[in-house]
Amino acid sequence: DVKVTQSSRYLVKRTGEKVFLECVQDMDHENMFWYRQDPGLGLRLIYFSYDVKMKEKGDIPEGYSVSREKKERFSLILESASTNQTSMYLCASRSSGRIGGEQFFGPGTRLTVL
Amino acid sequence: DQQVKQNSPSLSVQEGRISILNCDYTNSMFDYFLWYKKYPAEGPTFLISISSIKDKNEDGRFTVFLNKSAKHLSLHIVPSQPGDSAVYFCAAYNAGNNRKLIWGLGTSLAVNP
Repeated sequence: DVKVTQSSRYLVKRTGEKVFLECVQDMDHENMFWYRQDPGLGLRLIYFSYDVKMKEKGDIPEGYSVSREKKERFSLILESASTNQTSMYLCASRSSGRIGGEQFFGPGTRLTVL
Repeated sequence: DQQVKQNSPSLSVQEGRISILNCDYTNSMFDYFLWYKKYPAEGPTFLISISSIKDKNEDGRFTVFLNKSAKHLSLHIVPSQPGDSAVYFCAAYNAGNNRKLIWGLGTSLAVNP
């Protein structure tokens, strides 16, 4: 069964802290994605990676960075957390092999920055 | 500019009736369309997809219809059940860049017992 896991379901951090969100998939997928979801704004793509050590900016990369050192793991880093980064963060993965294939999502991390 | 639009933020239907969720798009290069369902505090789950070469795809209670000339697709849920209450997202792949999904803003469906 397909599995995408995220390191925390709920996280509370203070303004200015460095925050790491980890995502692991067990499907040997080439592509991995980080989104944030906010009410009324849908899913917005922050960064994605199509191979180890490869990354591309999504629609809202400002204030975030990512790391993909191993195929199964994709990390999202908030270098200096701010209150406007309070959100639900969703990780997803997808195989490159299937044109039109779906993305598989993790359960999400609800991050609150105080 | 929203390339995938879900113009109804919310929809309410009675249990047992049909739910119809609509999605419009502007980019004629989209070649695959997907529907996802999302419960609060969970990640989205894939429901059903359709290729642009088809006009209908069915999976159990869920059917997606595609009208390419109108750049419109719809998801039909028959019969609707209270457990279908969730946010539904429409998304599309661009044939020229099939790594990224382009998402609509979602429609919140409430199925009332």
